[in-house]
Amino acid sequence: KQEVTQIPAALSVPEGENLVLNCSFTDSAIYNLQWFRQDPGKGLTSLLLIQSSQREQTSGRLNASLDKSSGRSTLYIAASQPGDSATYLCAVSQGAQKLVFGQGTRLTINP
Amino acid sequence: DAGVIQSPRHEVTEMGQEVTLRCKPISGHNSLFWYRQTMMRGLELLIYFNNNVPIDDSGMPEDRFSAKMPNASFSTLKIQPSEPRDSAVYFCASSLGSVGLQPQHFGDGTRLSIL
Repeated sequence: KQEVTQIPAALSVPEGENLVLNCSFTDSAIYNLQWFRQDPGKGLTSLLLIQSSQREQTSGRLNASLDKSSGRSTLYIAASQPGDSATYLCAVSQGAQKLVFGQGTRLTINP
Repeated sequence: DAGVIQSPRHEVTEMGQEVTLRCKPISGHNSLFWYRQTMMRGLELLIYFNNNVPIDDSGMPEDRFSAKMPNASFSTLKIQPSEPRDSAVYFCASSLGSVGLQPQHFGDGTRLSIL
């Protein structure tokens, strides 16, 4: 059974810092890995999707990497801003569409 | 463009009552997903549809839960009878395609409280 773990569970950093969120998964047979953002009382917003054949994806200040063989992914956020404060969730696909989620990392950026 | 629309946003009802949650996916998307989010268990996939056909319902907790997708623009998740342990936030999501090449887009969820 696929298990997804995100460390740390919560992170608080001052504005302007670069930071890394971690995600690990137990079964390397995945179709893709996705990073989402969830704001309080809202649904999830897809940030980046990495196909199993890819190593990384970038969008603006965000960069996500994937190492399937070691079962790890990282989300790098450059020059953090208070608006980046949210819960970040990692999800891997079991089969083409069935996502298994981690518990998330609650990120707080302090002005 | 309109995103995934869920209704109601909040539902409070008594144990034993029937609950119906509704979802309108993004126009043109042919995959639809129902998730449940709780503090204890996180986000779990309940069921998903491709082209209105249920593909995997292995996450549906028990027979009290049922989901339908009568057409490409509407889906329901029904709980009958409801129990306090069903209290959670229920999300609907949709995506384009059926092979995981496109991200899933989520609605804002229905916060369900069963008293």
